[in-house]
Amino acid sequence: QQQVKQSPQSLIVQKGGISIINCAYENTAFDYFPWYQQFPGKGPALLIAIRPDVSEKKEGRFTISFNKSAKQFSLHIMDSQPGDSATYFCAARTISNSGYALNFGKGTSLLVTP
Amino acid sequence: DAGVTQSPTHLIKTRGQQVTLRCSPKSGHDTVSWYQQALGQGPQFIFQYYEEEERQRGNFPDRFSGHQFPNYSSELNVNALLLGDSALYLCASSLISRVETQYFGPGTRLLVL
Repeated sequence: QQQVKQSPQSLIVQKGGISIINCAYENTAFDYFPWYQQFPGKGPALLIAIRPDVSEKKEGRFTISFNKSAKQFSLHIMDSQPGDSATYFCAARTISNSGYALNFGKGTSLLVTP
Repeated sequence: DAGVTQSPTHLIKTRGQQVTLRCSPKSGHDTVSWYQQALGQGPQFIFQYYEEEERQRGNFPDRFSGHQFPNYSSELNVNALLLGDSALYLCASSLISRVETQYFGPGTRLLVL
């Protein structure tokens, strides 16, 4: 079953606007929450990530907000640009003594119009 | 410095056949993970290899198997292909000591007819 639920499925934002993508999870064993950006024909690329002991992390125009009690986290893209048009995936990591695995959401297709 | 490379880029097989996909990790990386990404979906974790051993496995049947070589490159094998195995297969590499930084390859697009 999907361990990380992502919404919306698609998003259209005007250039200069704010894009917001939300994710929710149930497994409290997750210890790391990255966001990936994927362009057509490419593999996902790490965009920004956060640990659950931090409520917000900002890198340039990208910000993650994390609400541990609600088990939710979100990606905000400020001043969205047409070049940001891509599919975005949230993910959550499980880690054990032997290894780790990323659990991905279903993705959000973002289109930034000029 | 080449990133993660995968071969072939595209592959067409028929039901019941077997397929082998290959991955070369980013230089210096020692850990390889494989993911299956169906059309319109997020990647699903298949398994992870470190020190030539399978360390972690997702919810995939035994038809999916893998191998890691001494040079850290890896293969993914799928036996008795089903139509539902059609997907983009992604390889990701990292250092076991820096698991946060995981780099993905461009993937192999497999179509099963």
